[in-house]
Amino acid sequence: GNSVTQMEGPVTLSEEAFLTINCTYTATGYPSLFWYVQYPGEGLQLLLKATKADDKGSNKGFEATYRKETTSFHLEKGSVQVSDSAVYFCALSDPQKLVFGQGTRLTINP
Amino acid sequence: DGGITQSPKYLFRKEGQNVTLSCEQNLNHDAMYWYRQDPGQGLRLIYYSQIVNDFQKGDIAEGYSVSREKKESFPLTVTSAQKNPTAFYLCATSTTEQETQYFGPGTRLLVL
Repeated sequence: GNSVTQMEGPVTLSEEAFLTINCTYTATGYPSLFWYVQYPGEGLQLLLKATKADDKGSNKGFEATYRKETTSFHLEKGSVQVSDSAVYFCALSDPQKLVFGQGTRLTINP
Repeated sequence: DGGITQSPKYLFRKEGQNVTLSCEQNLNHDAMYWYRQDPGQGLRLIYYSQIVNDFQKGDIAEGYSVSREKKESFPLTVTSAQKNPTAFYLCATSTTEQETQYFGPGTRLLVL
């Protein structure tokens, strides 16, 4: 079946560092791809999405490009802030539902 | 306010007890979902419903039950058959046209 694999955390960076969180997927067909963010004790919020190959999703300085050839959707941000500390989930659309990766915890130190 | 409401925020269950988690939405979305989140394991789908009076099992439905009598409501019952219910439970909604899901704030269930 369809699946998503994220880089294992936790990831700890200093403020203003460059961020990459890797995400690869296995799927039949061409699913939509998503990044969600979860702050402590809260539900998930949609961060960005891409619906077809070569699409780039972006929001709040975060970006991810749908790469069909490498089946990847890596999350990047050029300069992280302390407020970006959260758990990040990569997900893909399976018909009528989403399949999530295990999540990557990110901590940004001032 | 438009959104998804989950209650209570914390819920305690005794051995052998059934408990019901509430999920209400006023987004007019057709589809609703229940996920379970355990530390380090991401989200796992319990049940989902695309339309009133119809629902399907997800990946981990055993020990859970749902109903969908109204478009706005999708309550989840954790039965005594669920032997390890301690987790964070998340409800989500979506339109049938879009794949994006929108999440409620969650309910944390603890066993006494």
